[in-house]
Amino acid sequence: DIQLTQSPSFLSASIGDRVTITCRASQGISTYLAWYQQKPGKAPKLLIYSASTLQSGVPSRFSGSGSGTEFSLTISSLQPEDFATYYCQQLNSYPRLYTFGQGTKLEIK
Amino acid sequence: EVQLVESGGGLVQPGGSLRLSCAASGFIFSNYAMSWVRQAPGKGLEWVSTLSSSGTIYYADSVKGRFSISRDNSKNTLYLQMNSLGAEDTALYYCAKVEYYYDSTGFNGRAFDYWGQGTLVTVSS
Repeated sequence: DIQLTQSPSFLSASIGDRVTITCRASQGISTYLAWYQQKPGKAPKLLIYSASTLQSGVPSRFSGSGSGTEFSLTISSLQPEDFATYYCQQLNSYPRLYTFGQGTKLEIK
Repeated sequence: EVQLVESGGGLVQPGGSLRLSCAASGFIFSNYAMSWVRQAPGKGLEWVSTLSSSGTIYYADSVKGRFSISRDNSKNTLYLQMNSLGAEDTALYYCAKVEYYYDSTGFNGRAFDYWGQGTLVTVSS
């Protein structure tokens, strides 16, 4: 099975900072990776699919990159509403097991 | 507007069963794969199962043989039958719609683009 490892697990940053979260897959998954944002008490929200395509309505300060086994989510200038937990998810075709990373909690410094 | 509303959660004893439902609206339900994802209290997201529009089913190893996913396209509803429940199954269960993406070269990926608000399952004696 494909494992996803996110780093860091916790991140403390300030408003206006540029932050990057990394997601590493245990085997190549092409660009079949999505990123989600989850705020306390809320359902996850899709931010990016296919590793780098921004979901409609998501602010352009969010961006994704990578392919194969190394992926990243970057927030160019942190806003107050961005403090949340972020998850990557692999959606490779084989095996069809859509595992999530363990999450990265982004907190205000 | 796409809406997904889960129901059926509650308190169940270890070894018991429960059936979750997810009522969908705002899209052509029969055309889309649907999934269940769970989140134990204070923990991360765990994919549980996916049912394609054509009827192909996938399960996480942690629930295989105990959980069964199904759908009724006439009622726009997704189900999750959960048997032999244990404490490790205690979680908030979300249903999610699976979107497929295409570009000029063909299939370009998939993602869970809409989520319900979840239904809480507690397994305890």
